[in-house]
Amino acid sequence: DADVTQTPRNRITKTGKRIMLECSQTKGHDRMYWYRQDPGLGLRLIYYSFDVKDINKGEISDGYSVSRQAQAKFSLSLESAIPNQTALYFCATSDYKFVGGPYQETQYFGPGTRLLVL
Amino acid sequence: GENVEQHPSTLSVQEGDSAVIKCTYSDSASNYFPWYKQELGKGPQLIIDIRSNVGEKKDQRIAVTLNKTAKHFSLHITETQPEDSAVYFCAASRHNQGGKLIFGQGTELSVKP
Repeated sequence: DADVTQTPRNRITKTGKRIMLECSQTKGHDRMYWYRQDPGLGLRLIYYSFDVKDINKGEISDGYSVSRQAQAKFSLSLESAIPNQTALYFCATSDYKFVGGPYQETQYFGPGTRLLVL
Repeated sequence: GENVEQHPSTLSVQEGDSAVIKCTYSDSASNYFPWYKQELGKGPQLIIDIRSNVGEKKDQRIAVTLNKTAKHFSLHITETQPEDSAVYFCAASRHNQGGKLIFGQGTELSVKP
């Protein structure tokens, strides 16, 4: 979805290097997410943020950190990259609504960043 | 923790045939079940979702069914076309977890002309 952009799209780095993946959105959504995709494992949640001051760990946050610089920007950092962090990384935003019954939400994903750690 | 199992991992059908992908979930409190389609080189895109207060939902050639008792839900694609070829993911979440989706492992669907 062009409303959610990720940079870079591809990145090769070496073990021990610090890298940052960036995500920007023009949808005006408060909620943003970082996922990791590995073959055969689906998408796993790394971190999520419900607003600029609310950041939470997901199921696989070890080795990662995030920064929510503004409503529209959510960055993921690998402080010291290791080979098993080689994966496809996705950012997503969502328009969470609670309308008196079961809540409604759609998550919109960016195009992904393919990361290779040598 | 909550788990979502998805089967099959790969599915090959002839154009025009139907395709069915099944998911089971472990958390009985889950109440929202979206399906995403991921085309090559792109991020997942929502194609249909279902909430726990209904048992079936249709949108043209795709439908989703939910069996809360058995804790499983399925995606049905009828009259498949080559452009349906993609990886499909199911997911589950519950309201009081505020949008934290637990994804299945994905199904790679191939529609042969």
